[in-house]
Amino acid sequence: DAGVIQSPRHEVTEMGQEVTLRCKPISGHNSLFWYRQTMMRGLELLIYFNNNVPIDDSGMPEDRFSAKMPNASFSTLKIQPSEPRDSAVYFCASSSRGTGANVLTFGAGSRLTVL
Amino acid sequence: GQNIDQPTEMTATEGAIVQINCTYQTSGFNGLFWYQQHAGEAPTFLSYNVLDGLEEKGRFSSFLSRSKGYSYLLLKELQMKDSASYLCAVNGGAGNMLTFGGGTRLMVKP
Repeated sequence: DAGVIQSPRHEVTEMGQEVTLRCKPISGHNSLFWYRQTMMRGLELLIYFNNNVPIDDSGMPEDRFSAKMPNASFSTLKIQPSEPRDSAVYFCASSSRGTGANVLTFGAGSRLTVL
Repeated sequence: GQNIDQPTEMTATEGAIVQINCTYQTSGFNGLFWYQQHAGEAPTFLSYNVLDGLEEKGRFSSFLSRSKGYSYLLLKELQMKDSASYLCAVNGGAGNMLTFGGGTRLMVKP
């Protein structure tokens, strides 16, 4: 398995532009998570999906952020319009939610810089 | 909500033993995880504790005390490649979500 695949790996954009980050979870995993990591705030959970359904989006900063999971193999995180304070590394992670440990496997991350 | 505390930075010598502590407060505890994150890379899973006691996995061990809300990660025979951030994460809360602490940056010196 290729693991969790994220794109783009790096994006530099200007304030006000729309940003779309993409994620392909591990095949067979039924839970998908979007995290944001910054030096100041560490790793923060933005939203997670279970069986393609958003379960908790309380971590989404504001209405400028939205996430979708149209099918079991694809998810997007969109920021519109982007602001400099959105600069961070965005990680997607997936897991197979069942009994026992809910071990997350992370993608390599998308480093976003908003100028 | 959940609150997770761990030291920001630690330094240790190659070949030595280091213990990284983590304290937490949560409702509905469902397990504690340790992840390792090298600079510029994604976090990777190290260990999982759901019952009290010590879990050993090679050079790494993790301990949990649920009554004290306390865990530690023990790294033995430190190697230079162990220089990384170590993230304590608790599974719990209203949505049974995984919440991460701020991480402990470990620097291993020769």
